[in-house]
Amino acid sequence: AQSVTQPDIHITVSEGASLELRCNYSYGATPYLFWYVQSPGQGLQLLLKYFSGDTLVQGIKGFEAEFKRSQSSFNLRKPSVHWSDAAEYFCAVGTYSGGGADGLTFGKGTHLIIQP
Amino acid sequence: EPEVTQTPSHQVTQMGQEVILRCVPISNHLYFYWYRQILGQKVEFLVSFYNNEISEKSEIFDDQFSVERPDGSNFTLKIRSTKLEDSAMYFCASSEGRINEQFFGPGTRLTVL
Repeated sequence: AQSVTQPDIHITVSEGASLELRCNYSYGATPYLFWYVQSPGQGLQLLLKYFSGDTLVQGIKGFEAEFKRSQSSFNLRKPSVHWSDAAEYFCAVGTYSGGGADGLTFGKGTHLIIQP
Repeated sequence: EPEVTQTPSHQVTQMGQEVILRCVPISNHLYFYWYRQILGQKVEFLVSFYNNEISEKSEIFDDQFSVERPDGSNFTLKIRSTKLEDSAMYFCASSEGRINEQFFGPGTRLTVL
């Protein structure tokens, strides 16, 4: 079965600084990968996705992520964070299986705190 | 922009009672999902639904749970006899295809007393 690890429970970054959130997955084949963001009391908003092709994917709000097969990683980056980026970030993996609808497997999330 | 909607936003119930959580997926989507998030924990997959039947379910989705698409727009999750540990945020999601991004609703916070 697949799994997702987000090793950092909390990360604190100064406003304007760069950000990298780590995500590692475990799955026997090529997964499809997502980053979602959740603001307090809100639902999950998709930031970006990787299905195939170019391993560097661009998302909304200036985020990008790079799929590295050799490291089983899909780290999220942003060159300069804004106070509004403070939220919970979830990495998720989906898998190709026999014809049904696949549920996503989520990591435990990383809580991003922005310092002024 | 189309979005997934869920009602109610907050449901309080007594242990042992039945609850029905409602979702309206995006209209042209064919795949529907329920997830839950216990406070402070990760989002967990419960069940997926396609072509009017359950496609996949997790071990969490036991006989106390059921899903239904009673008409062309609604997708419901029923918990027959709620337990304290069912207290969580429940998210509905939908996707256009099997291998497409899933769009999540705002969630229903279920509190079991």
